[in-house]
Amino acid sequence: NAGVTQTPKFQVLKTGQSMTLQCAQDMNHNSMYWYRQDPGMGLRLIYYSASEGTTDKGEVPNGYNVSRLNKREFSLRLESAAPSQTSVYFCASTAPGQAYTFGSGTRLTVV
Amino acid sequence: GENVEQHPSTLSVQEGDSAVIKCTYSDSASNYFPWYKQELGKRPQLIIDIRSNVGEKKDQRIAVTLNKTAKHFSLHITETQPEDSAVYFCAATASGGSYIPTFGRGTSLIVHP
Repeated sequence: NAGVTQTPKFQVLKTGQSMTLQCAQDMNHNSMYWYRQDPGMGLRLIYYSASEGTTDKGEVPNGYNVSRLNKREFSLRLESAAPSQTSVYFCASTAPGQAYTFGSGTRLTVV
Repeated sequence: GENVEQHPSTLSVQEGDSAVIKCTYSDSASNYFPWYKQELGKRPQLIIDIRSNVGEKKDQRIAVTLNKTAKHFSLHITETQPEDSAVYFCAATASGGSYIPTFGRGTSLIVHP
């Protein structure tokens, strides 16, 4: 039982480059989320998908896009990376009224 | 929307002492309150949770209490050990709506040997 699998674990990008962070869960959860975590800022929601076929903006969506490819997979895309997007990114999934299961995180540095 | 305040932001204790982290929430519709522990460089992981129909829940050295009237809930860790050193996050969510929990900002717990 893998839970939530996130790739890659580490990435260095140059300003202006694009990349996609991948997330997949095998728990048959309807809801999936992308968070970023910065020192002293806690976990901030970027985008979420309450169910397959739907996506919604969270607290900090600017500069990001998402795709809910199917029930298992929810990807996060940075079209033109900026140094302000240097952060640790976590994908999570959950069933209604239950705790999150988080992926292992992606440490992204934009230079 | 929901607002969750978490205090303190940093907590330093001696091994064997107790530690208490407190969270307050604003939305009376919230009815599920999980606590997550995040060790350095790791993912947040659920350590204990409580629902609004229960006032207290214990699991070995950790416990969570909930006061629905005052809209606050607390994490209690007894007999702290160095391996308890981590960042702890509280969260509040309602079973209806979009199920998005609101997180506190986190508490960095340091247990000194």
